[in-house]
Amino acid sequence: GESVGLHLPTLSVQEGDNSIINCAYSNSASDYFIWYKQESGKGPQFIIDIRSNMDKRQGQRVTVLLNKTVKHLSLQIAATQPGDSAVYFCAERRAGAGKLIFGAGTRLAVHP
Amino acid sequence: DGGITQSPKYLFRKEGQNVTLSCEQNLNHDAMYWYRQDPGQGLRLIYYSQIVNDFQKGDIAEGYSVSREKKESFPLTVTSAQKNPTAFYLCASSTLSGVGYEQFFGPGTRLTVL
Repeated sequence: GESVGLHLPTLSVQEGDNSIINCAYSNSASDYFIWYKQESGKGPQFIIDIRSNMDKRQGQRVTVLLNKTVKHLSLQIAATQPGDSAVYFCAERRAGAGKLIFGAGTRLAVHP
Repeated sequence: DGGITQSPKYLFRKEGQNVTLSCEQNLNHDAMYWYRQDPGQGLRLIYYSQIVNDFQKGDIAEGYSVSREKKESFPLTVTSAQKNPTAFYLCASSTLSGVGYEQFFGPGTRLTVL
């Protein structure tokens, strides 16, 4: 069935490097996308979102890129810090739907 | 955790017992959601509600029940019909108007069936 998925289940980076977490989605009718960060034993926290009429959106140290042609979403974290270690989820909203569809998540491990 | 509280944080129950998980929000959000998360997995939608006294089944509603008598409260009951209830349960809420559709999550309740 249609789903939001991730290319890499685990990503290991060195502290200070940039991280890129990828996500593929299959429904071209999706109009809104979100990235969440979840630390162990806690609820997900909002990082950044983007609407389908945009290609790029920047936050503090994070950038989300949306490529509608290939149905691909990515989260870039600049100067990755140990506190960035967590599981990152992408989620999509199907246009007109009242719910989000979540991907399986990518674990980001930051090494000193 | 953004104005959403879940209680208790840890819950143990014996097989065959029903148990109710609490979720309260003070964000004045119209919509509330319940998700289940298994180890190393993503979030699966159990039930959601967009207005008081109305709710819809999500992808894995079997063995669960909810009520929405008040805007700020959306309790989830895990019934004895749920065959594998041990999991981490997350409640979320969101506005239905405005620019985005961000869901705010509570801290979660970890349910263990003994």
